[in-house]
Amino acid sequence: EDKVVQSPLSLVVHEGDTVTLNCSYEVTNFRSLLWYKQEKKAPTFLFMLTSSGIEKKSGRLSSILDKKELFSILNITATQTGDSAIYLCAASSGNTGKLIFGQGTTLQVKP
Amino acid sequence: GAVVSQHPSRVICKSGTSVKIECRSLDFQATTMFWYRQFPKQSLMLMATSNEGSKATYEQGVEKDKFLINHASLTLSTLTVTSAHPEDSSFYICSAERGGPQYNEQFFGPGTRLTVL
Repeated sequence: EDKVVQSPLSLVVHEGDTVTLNCSYEVTNFRSLLWYKQEKKAPTFLFMLTSSGIEKKSGRLSSILDKKELFSILNITATQTGDSAIYLCAASSGNTGKLIFGQGTTLQVKP
Repeated sequence: GAVVSQHPSRVICKSGTSVKIECRSLDFQATTMFWYRQFPKQSLMLMATSNEGSKATYEQGVEKDKFLINHASLTLSTLTVTSAHPEDSSFYICSAERGGPQYNEQFFGPGTRLTVL
């Protein structure tokens, strides 16, 4: 059975801290790994990773995929209160492009 | 670019009524759209894959007669919750895949919160 597991499930940090969110996956016909940020409404796209070892960066956020270990991490440096959200990891499977989501990591950044 | 809209954003209805939710890709064509539901403090669960011009593919445990999906054009998919009951109350989110499966990049609509009284 395809599955995606995120850890930790929740995290509380203070502004300025650096956080690392983890995502492991077991998916048949794996195509890509995606990270999303969800605040009050639907998820917003952060990264899509298809190749191992290539870091993707966007401002204070970065992510990398390890296809050998079936693992991805999302790093956020110098966290701000606006980073508080649920971070979702999803693996796409097969030719249909359907996404299997992890449980999400709820991040709270305190001032 | 890559904007997906959903309508309505919120609906409250009585038990037994049917509710239609629209999902539109505004600035790109999407041969494939996906419908998810999300319960409070839970992750997104895929309900079905909607393919333009063909029948939707439902995930295990999702009743196809209860959740009717129509993908009549490259920019519009609809989900109809038939004879809704309180247990159907949830946050329904659609996504549209840009560029076809080879790109595999999905963009989400803002979601529809359904409350069935």
